[in-house]
Amino acid sequence: QVQLLQSGAEVKKPGASVKVSCKVSGFPLTELSMQWVRQAPGKGLEWMGTFNREHGETIYAQKFQGRVTMTEDASTDTAYLELSSLRSEDTAVFFCAAEVVVGATDFWGQGSLVAVSS
Amino acid sequence: DIQMTQSPSSLSASVGDRVTITCQASQDISIFLSWYQQKPGEAPKLLLYDASSLGTGVPSRFSGSGSGTDFTFTISSLQPEDFATYYCQQYDNMPRTFGQGTKVEIK
Repeated sequence: QVQLLQSGAEVKKPGASVKVSCKVSGFPLTELSMQWVRQAPGKGLEWMGTFNREHGETIYAQKFQGRVTMTEDASTDTAYLELSSLRSEDTAVFFCAAEVVVGATDFWGQGSLVAVSS
Repeated sequence: DIQMTQSPSSLSASVGDRVTITCQASQDISIFLSWYQQKPGEAPKLLLYDASSLGTGVPSRFSGSGSGTDFTFTISSLQPEDFATYYCQQYDNMPRTFGQGTKVEIK
């Protein structure tokens, strides 16, 4: 059974960076396609990006270009999302989500709350 | 980016009702559409992918149809545990984009 366990809540000041981790168990990370999704309080889901394993490239939503970095550590089956230059509107729950079949994002982490406040 | 327009944004229904939600893409996405259910404080749950394929363990009262730009999501007989927010998402093109969500509330 695939499980995704994310790191805990964080409070950051504007301008800081945050790194969220997503530990995969029950399946090799290298056989999953990992997505990252953001949800601001009371708002809808927002896709941030993915690592396209077939082409070996990371694809980010234009909105986050230049501020976001998605990485993986295959030795520990852990994916990471780093978001820099945080502002108050980045306050959100960040989800990692994985799929084996394209589009069938079956597996989700529990979410990591990042609060940005001075 | 492909825009996904869901309607309605919210609806009220009773247990046993048939519920239909539509999702329209701003361009042809073939069948590359999925539907998710999200309850407050929880992660989304995959219900359908490829427009009409049920996710693992998803009850058959959930169904989907459509291709191209127009898609429909149906709950044939609403159950108490189905009160939630539903999102469509296209994955034909990057970035993957979500609809704005439809909140299904108890009448």
